[in-house]
Amino acid sequence: ILNVEQSPQSLHVQEGDSTNFTCSFPSSNFYALHWYRWETAKSPEALFVMTLNGDEKKKGRISATLNTKEGYSYLYIKGSQPEDSATYLCAHDQTGANNLFFGTGTRLTVIP
Amino acid sequence: DAGITQSPRHKVTETGTPVTLRCHQTENHRYMYWYRQDPGHGLRLIHYSYGVKDTDKGEVSDGYSVSRSKTEDFLLTLESATSSQTSVYFCAISEQSNEKLFFGSGTQLSVL
Repeated sequence: ILNVEQSPQSLHVQEGDSTNFTCSFPSSNFYALHWYRWETAKSPEALFVMTLNGDEKKKGRISATLNTKEGYSYLYIKGSQPEDSATYLCAHDQTGANNLFFGTGTRLTVIP
Repeated sequence: DAGITQSPRHKVTETGTPVTLRCHQTENHRYMYWYRQDPGHGLRLIHYSYGVKDTDKGEVSDGYSVSRSKTEDFLLTLESATSSQTSVYFCAISEQSNEKLFFGSGTQLSVL
């Protein structure tokens, strides 16, 4: 069983602030790292799937980086908006079979 | 939710009874997954399927069985429900094994 850890568990930021969270995972046998955004009362939605060390992906104000050698990924949100309030999940794929191991998420609240 | 329907959305049952949850997709995706979500845990994979009649166990498969007789349907069965199986169950699909997941809306199951 892989140990995927996310930090912080939760945070509150003011509208307009930029923020970032961390996902750490075992660096051995890496295949892919997924990020999902999960709004309350909805289903998780994919943000990024990252496979290469040094990968950087961007979607609007959200971006992510990946370091497979040291086993971490950062998710950045620039200029947070209230609609960014959600739980952000990362998941580690060790084998490429999409047998994903999810972290418990970082719950972000953006205060207007 | 990317053409994924889970049924039922809510179910209350008694310990020892059989329960079947259904996931139906209209995307013709090859891969289908069943996850459970519990407080303090990340999403945990129960079983997944990589084609009709092709299934494999995930991290928490004990007490569950699955079947996939058609591309569009993936059934999760609890042969004899226990209180520890009270959870929110999510179905997910992906086109390929190393691509992002699309999630259904979830089924809230309570075993009394």
